[in-house]
Amino acid sequence: GENVEQHPSTLSVQEGDSAVIKCTYSDSASNYFPWYKQELGKRPQLIIDIRSNVGEKKDQRIAVTLNKTAKHFSLHITETQPEDSAVYFCAASNAGGTSYGKLTFGQGTILTVHP
Amino acid sequence: SAVISQKPSRDICQRGTSLTIQCQVDSQVTMMFWYRQQPGQSLTLIATANQGSEATYESGFVIDKFPISRPNLTFSTLTVSNMSPEDSSIYLCSVRSRGSGYEQYFGPGTRLTVT
Repeated sequence: GENVEQHPSTLSVQEGDSAVIKCTYSDSASNYFPWYKQELGKRPQLIIDIRSNVGEKKDQRIAVTLNKTAKHFSLHITETQPEDSAVYFCAASNAGGTSYGKLTFGQGTILTVHP
Repeated sequence: SAVISQKPSRDICQRGTSLTIQCQVDSQVTMMFWYRQQPGQSLTLIATANQGSEATYESGFVIDKFPISRPNLTFSTLTVSNMSPEDSSIYLCSVRSRGSGYEQYFGPGTRLTVT
């Protein structure tokens, strides 16, 4: 089955700096890669996603890049703000396959943005 | 995105008892999933709840311990049976909407403590 590795486990930055979180996946059939943000005591919230037919996607201060050959994808947050502090999870799935889009998650990254 | 609710939001149960968690969506969805999030950990898929048929369980999870029902396209239940303290976790349902979108959204979760 799919295996997703996520690094780093913790990331501390100053407000205004950029943050990058990286994930690798093992199953070449995976074609959908979402990122979730989970604040303390809250549900995971989908913040951005990318499909395998796209190399990069951007939404305001966040962007995701995908390298299918190397089987890795990354989340980039620019101009970080204290409210970006949360746990971030990457995930991978074969959205159109017989697994019906079940998600395999990385281990999570605790991002702390210091004012 | 669909509005997802879960009941109960939290519970404290004694070992050996069972708890049924409900997940309700405000619109018809194709796929419903149940995840477990142990304290400070990532999300692990328990099973895919199939409408009108038996759920599909992931490795390490069995129907006798986690029976699942999905009687229609907007509702599912997960039962945690014969509970032990190791079952203390947050249990989340997620849904994938109808149509071509791959996005999955999570319910607010049920925080279960087993004493």
